[in-house]
Amino acid sequence: NFMLAQPHSVSESPGKTVTISCTRSSGNIASHYVQWYQQRPGSSPTTVIYEDDQRPSGVPDRFSGSIDSSSNSASLTISGLKTEDETDYYCQSYDNNIQVFGGGTKLTVL
Amino acid sequence: EVHLLESGGGLVQAGGSLRLSCAASGFTFSKYAMSWVRQAPGKGLEWVSGTSDSGGSTLYADSVKGRFTISRDNSKNMLYLQMYSLRAEDTAIYYCAKVIPSSGWYSDWGQGTLVTVSS
Repeated sequence: NFMLAQPHSVSESPGKTVTISCTRSSGNIASHYVQWYQQRPGSSPTTVIYEDDQRPSGVPDRFSGSIDSSSNSASLTISGLKTEDETDYYCQSYDNNIQVFGGGTKLTVL
Repeated sequence: EVHLLESGGGLVQAGGSLRLSCAASGFTFSKYAMSWVRQAPGKGLEWVSGTSDSGGSTLYADSVKGRFTISRDNSKNMLYLQMYSLRAEDTAIYYCAKVIPSSGWYSDWGQGTLVTVSS
């Protein structure tokens, strides 16, 4: 099975742009969709990006997703950072019907 | 509105068993695959098990294979996770989640139920 590697933490100032990476250890990142979930403390995860770059209704367009085959990674980019964006983010993908989550990234907006 | 409500969590001794339930509403349950995902205290998300829309196909993470059984009752809109031979490392919040066909993402999650395994 493959793994998805995320930075443990990232930080950026309000109003700036931050990118969180998700690198697939084996297999092609483009072969199966990547999703991104936001999880606030004490709450269930919610989807901010699905199918690599799609936003569910209600998610602001400050959130965007992309895939880079050259680095075999996916990225979540949040622009115009707000203090409310400070929380945990997880990437997720699958292969051979096995679902895999990244280890999660704690975003600090300071 | 989709609603997923887990129940059945609690405190159990190592080696014991527990059955989790997930009551689904607000969508045609029988048309969607479902999964269980867990989160140990202070840790990340871990996929545990999944079942096809009919229940005819089931999958498990290596960490629970042979000890956990996922099932569903489409007539009752219910998803289950039977857990045997529980270990301390199974301590976690267990979420049920609705899976979107073909792309495999989790569109809706329950609020979770806490399982604590004491050693």
